[in-house]
Amino acid sequence: EDQVTQSPEALRLQEGESSSLNCSYTVSGLRGLFWYRQDPGKGPEFLFTLYSAGEEKEKERLKATLTKKESFLHITAPKPEDSATYLCAVQANSNSGYALNFGKGTSLLVTP
Amino acid sequence: SAVISQKPSRDICQRGTSLTIQCQVDSQVTMMFWYRQQPGQSLTLIATANQGSEATYESGFVIDKFPISRPNLTFSTLTVSNMSPEDSSIYLCSVETVGGTQYFGPGTRLLVL
Repeated sequence: EDQVTQSPEALRLQEGESSSLNCSYTVSGLRGLFWYRQDPGKGPEFLFTLYSAGEEKEKERLKATLTKKESFLHITAPKPEDSATYLCAVQANSNSGYALNFGKGTSLLVTP
Repeated sequence: SAVISQKPSRDICQRGTSLTIQCQVDSQVTMMFWYRQQPGQSLTLIATANQGSEATYESGFVIDKFPISRPNLTFSTLTVSNMSPEDSSIYLCSVETVGGTQYFGPGTRLLVL
């Protein structure tokens, strides 16, 4: 059975203090690994898709990387507006559909 | 990308009643999904809404409780039937675009009293 585990559950950073969020996964054939940002009261906002080990993608202060067992979301010099819950999800190669299996998320708070 | 709207954005309902949630996307998409996000939890897939055929439900979700319609490639509805307080959740519609990315709507916040 596919599993996604995110750590830490919560993270508090000072503005400018870089850090990384972890997403460990087990899946029977990875079709894609997705990162989303979710603000309170809103739907998840798409950030990145990674397809194979070694792949990296960047967007502003965020950089996502992928290995065969885990993915990291690196946040460089975060700002208070980066405060949100970050969700990781995996999609398996399957004939039964394209469901995303989500982790429980990391709640990030960036203080001025 | 895709722009997705949901109606209603929130509702408060009495136990035993039903609520139908609408999902509209701004372009034709093959794959549409319905997820549930219970308080403090992550997202769980309820079903895949198939155009022109019955929805495909995940383990633990049944058609009698969560009937789904998909009359065309831009619209779907999810009904939460015979509601109980345990159905209080955020219900989210998502679509998968040609590039393989799933985009989510803003969600419908349901409180059952």
